[in-house]
Amino acid sequence: SQQGEEDPQALSIQEGENATMNCSYKTSINNLQWYRQNSGRGLVHLILIRSNEREKHSGRLRVTLDTSKKSSSLLITASRAADTASYFCATDHGLFWKKIANFGNEKLTFGTGTRLTIIP
Amino acid sequence: DTAVSQTPKYLVTQMGNDKSIKCEQNLGHDTMYWYKQDSKKFLKIMFSYNNKELIINETVPNRFSPKSPDKAHLNLHINSLELGDSAVYFCASSQGSKGWTEAFFGQGTRLTVV
Repeated sequence: SQQGEEDPQALSIQEGENATMNCSYKTSINNLQWYRQNSGRGLVHLILIRSNEREKHSGRLRVTLDTSKKSSSLLITASRAADTASYFCATDHGLFWKKIANFGNEKLTFGTGTRLTIIP
Repeated sequence: DTAVSQTPKYLVTQMGNDKSIKCEQNLGHDTMYWYKQDSKKFLKIMFSYNNKELIINETVPNRFSPKSPDKAHLNLHINSLELGDSAVYFCASSQGSKGWTEAFFGQGTRLTVV
């Protein structure tokens, strides 16, 4: 089944630096989402970018989407120790065009994740 | 207030046993999911329900049986547990009828089969 891949698998940077993570996927999407998972916790939604959007911002987060390359990047600026977590991209390929209209998210496919460590 | 809550948080059980994990969401969402996260942190969808109707069953062994008594609840029952079932199981919900919205996850249930 479809699976995104994050790159790098692990990233360690100094506090205050910017962190960039990339995600690649294989088939066309309805939208792409980024989630954060702190150790031993559930996933928390960060940002959603639709297939017709190219860039989106939310606070210190910047997400880009290149559908021609089937890739996305997540930039965290001015990193903080609290940003230490695993980050996952998730793609929604959906059954939108099938029997259920206006229905998405029924099959979010997650990537393998990037483990980000911010060094104080 | 917890948006998506799962119980129990930890579950240790012997091979061959039957166990259930419960999930409840108070967000008024119409879509709920079960995901399995393995030891390598890979998340894979198992089931998706919309308005109590099964939408997705991702070739999960029939030892796993989800039950959705109403839109706010999606429970997972596992029969004849095997060592390979050890993982963290996440429940999630979203408002599927709005299309393309974020999913809210529970804290996870760490299942250990010994």
